Amino acid sequence: KAGVTQTPRYLIKTRGQQVTLSCSPISGHRSVSWYQQTPGQGLQFLFEYFSETQRNKGNFPGRFSGRQFSNSRSEMNVSTLELGDSALYLCASSKRGHGYTFGSGTRLTVV
Amino acid sequence: TQLLEQSPQFLSIQEGENLTVYCNSSSVFSSLQWYRQEPGEGPVLLVTVVTGGEVKKLKRLTFQFGDARKDSSLHITAAQTGDTGLYLCAGAAVTSGSRLTFGEGTQLTVNP
Repeated sequence: KAGVTQTPRYLIKTRGQQVTLSCSPISGHRSVSWYQQTPGQGLQFLFEYFSETQRNKGNFPGRFSGRQFSNSRSEMNVSTLELGDSALYLCASSKRGHGYTFGSGTRLTVV
Repeated sequence: TQLLEQSPQFLSIQEGENLTVYCNSSSVFSSLQWYRQEPGEGPVLLVTVVTGGEVKKLKRLTFQFGDARKDSSLHITAAQTGDTGLYLCAGAAVTSGSRLTFGEGTQLTVNP
């Protein structure tokens, strides 16, 4: 079965711009979580969506937002990009009681 | 804030050697997972342990969950070059739903 699909794989943006990342979960998985991975901080939790509702949120500024659609696909948006937002953004889907299945991530570079 | 400390941060060994990676916290977790990540890819789930004292084996990999559910270890027997990668532990707190707290990872390099 198809895995978690994240698009785009790579993105280069300029400071001040905004960006939207997309995640299609495994069919039947209703929970989608987003993580930011950087060399210094490791994987940091951004937020989790379940049935179109944000169920959990990490300690990131309001510039980071997300949403989930009725087909469980999710998007995250970062506005007013800063250099420090450069990271690998990972999306993971899961079913209740099971571990995450991660996508390959979107590598965002802010210049 | 729950923290997971992994050690060592870096490990470079020769093929055939054994190794152990540790994951420690002062917090209790309802479950703990281990992932392996290769460059340019997302982490891949290796195992989930949920019961204190639980031991799970996956071929040459042995995972243990501490009795108090605050720590875990990953032991690899007779390491192979294909074991090279970033190993991450991640804990799920009782009150945080499916949100995971990740350790910073152990970068393992197995040399031929």
